[in-house]
Amino acid sequence: SSELTQDPAVSVALGQTVRITCQGDSLRSYYASWYQQKPGQAPVLVIYGKNNRPSGIPDRFSGSSSGNTASLTITGAQAEDEADYYCNSRDSSGNHFVVFGGGTKLTVL
Amino acid sequence: QVQLQESGPGLVKPSQTLSLTCTVSGGSISSGGYYWSWIRQHPGKGLEWIGYIYYSGSTYYNPSLKSRVTISVDTSKNQFSLKLSSVTAADTAVYYCARGAERLVPKENWFDPWGQGTLVTVSS
Repeated sequence: SSELTQDPAVSVALGQTVRITCQGDSLRSYYASWYQQKPGQAPVLVIYGKNNRPSGIPDRFSGSSSGNTASLTITGAQAEDEADYYCNSRDSSGNHFVVFGGGTKLTVL
Repeated sequence: QVQLQESGPGLVKPSQTLSLTCTVSGGSISSGGYYWSWIRQHPGKGLEWIGYIYYSGSTYYNPSLKSRVTISVDTSKNQFSLKLSSVTAADTAVYYCARGAERLVPKENWFDPWGQGTLVTVSS
């Protein structure tokens, strides 16, 4: 399968920890990357590979993977973390295709 | 610091060809190890991969768009381009260009940076 499945919406209380998940067969072969997108803005890479953060991304963002599920964890969510989050990986069939999850809207209460 | 910037018409008529260019600054499009991608986002929807081109010229397209898509690179201008033919209203979207990177061991891929995006509306 070339699909990645995400929960449409997740909420978290300010300062608490939230996990956003992404499921798909391709994740058994590939690590996911994660993007944050705020309204009217381009996506921004927040996690890639096993658990790598680009420069400038706060260390409250972390990634993990198990089986066909990748997770993005925000430890101590802040108001500015409210955004849409997308996962991404390659298609596992070896045909070089790229797949994105449908996105998760994170609300910080 | 590499930056990408999309440019092109914001309005295209149905059945015509959508043409966009992404200008890369702060780095060479010919540098190895990267691929240059187009991704779009329909209004209020998620991200859809369109295709990408390696610096070598190899291209890969989303099967759902393959018959209408061409991605090319102009190394002399440090640009890469998207052409999408026979457009309909369903092609109205924000189009992003992005630099892709990957590792084979372990298997990882990611897109960074992204352009700011450009809205293309298909309408007569």
